Amino acid sequence: DIQMTQSPSLLSASVGDRVTLNCKASQNIYKNLAWYQQKLGEAPKLLIYNAKSLQTGIPSRFSGSGSGTDFTLTISSLQPEDVATYFCQQYYSGWTFGGGTKLELK
Amino acid sequence: EVQLQESGPGLVKPSQSLSLTCSVTGYSITSNYWGWIRKFPGNKMEWMGYINYSGSTSYNPSLKSRISITRDTSKNQFFLQLNSVTTEDTATYYCARSTRVPYYFDYWGQGVMVTVSS
Repeated sequence: DIQMTQSPSLLSASVGDRVTLNCKASQNIYKNLAWYQQKLGEAPKLLIYNAKSLQTGIPSRFSGSGSGTDFTLTISSLQPEDVATYFCQQYYSGWTFGGGTKLELK
Repeated sequence: EVQLQESGPGLVKPSQSLSLTCSVTGYSITSNYWGWIRKFPGNKMEWMGYINYSGSTSYNPSLKSRISITRDTSKNQFFLQLNSVTTEDTATYYCARSTRVPYYFDYWGQGVMVTVSS
């Protein structure tokens, strides 16, 4: 199975900060990666698919990059409503998920 | 808009069966792929299986002997049954849609927490 590792597990940042979240695959998954946002008690929301494609309706401050084994989700200017847990998912071979990064306000 | 909502008992006894329903509105389950995913305490997530537009299923090999996913197209619902549960099946269970497999899940339910305990 392909293992997905996210870092950091907890991130504190201030409103307006540029925030970077990382996801690493245990083997090459090309660009078969999605990012999700999950707020407490809510359904996960798809943000990014195919490593860098922005899902319809998602603010442009969210962006994804990377390919192969190393991927990044960037929030260009953190907003209060971005407080959530973010997780990555590979779909190159079956489905496996990262352990998540909890993003909080400093 | 596509919406999914999980329902079912929040407490199941060890060795019994866990049964959950996913009710879908805004889209027919006779199209696309409809899956179950669970998140354990500690945040590890696991894909459990899916049922597709024609009623065919695919399961995570780690669960294959215990899991069954079925559907009722007249009610636009699909179901999860997990047999012989143990405390290790305690998790939040989500249903979600994918447009192909394997692929990302573009719509999710908000999840239902299930505790396995005597």
